[in-house]
Amino acid sequence: GQQVMQIPQYQHVQEGEDFTTYCNSSTTLSNIQWYKQRPGGHPVFLIQLVKSGEVKKQKRLTFQFGEAKKNSSLHITATQTTDVGTYFCAGQSPGGGADGLTFGKGTHLIIQP
Amino acid sequence: AAGVIQSPRHLIKEKRETATLKCYPIPRHDTVYWYQQGPGQDPQFLISFYEKMQSDKGSIPDRFSAQQFSDYHSELNMSSLELGDSALYFCASSPREGEQYFGPGTRLTVT
Repeated sequence: GQQVMQIPQYQHVQEGEDFTTYCNSSTTLSNIQWYKQRPGGHPVFLIQLVKSGEVKKQKRLTFQFGEAKKNSSLHITATQTTDVGTYFCAGQSPGGGADGLTFGKGTHLIIQP
Repeated sequence: AAGVIQSPRHLIKEKRETATLKCYPIPRHDTVYWYQQGPGQDPQFLISFYEKMQSDKGSIPDRFSAQQFSDYHSELNMSSLELGDSALYFCASSPREGEQYFGPGTRLTVT
């Protein structure tokens, strides 16, 4: 079955430093989505990437989808304490609109002030 | 804005008991998904429904079943509970293919 690998598992940064998490799927994806989950909270949708080579920005966050639609990255510029949480990528296979997501293991972002 | 509603928020059951979790999607969302998240783990897809029909099936045990009703709410029924079923159960809804909006989750503890 489809597998989604995500690295690193943990990332410690000083406040103000940049942060990047990488995601790689074993199969070609229909789309890839990114979610943020705070401790004790639920996954919150950040963005969806659909097109090959797509790049999207949300303020300090930059999301990329690879040309082969198998890998993706999330880059945060100048991290702030509010960025703390676990960032998950989640891939959806080309099978259909209501297919479940296959999540990566997540990257826990820890920020030291 | 309205969000996904899940009930109960916390549930404690004993081994071999049954449990029913409920999910009320965001209005006008026609797709519902169920996920299980163990401690420190990523969400694992269980099952989804589109327009009240089962759409996709993931790693849902045979002891679990689910359905979506005419008002689009969904229920996850869990029988013969095991200690390993202790987890957070999330429901998510979607208006179309793609972005999913997660509810606050039901924390199930099996003792």
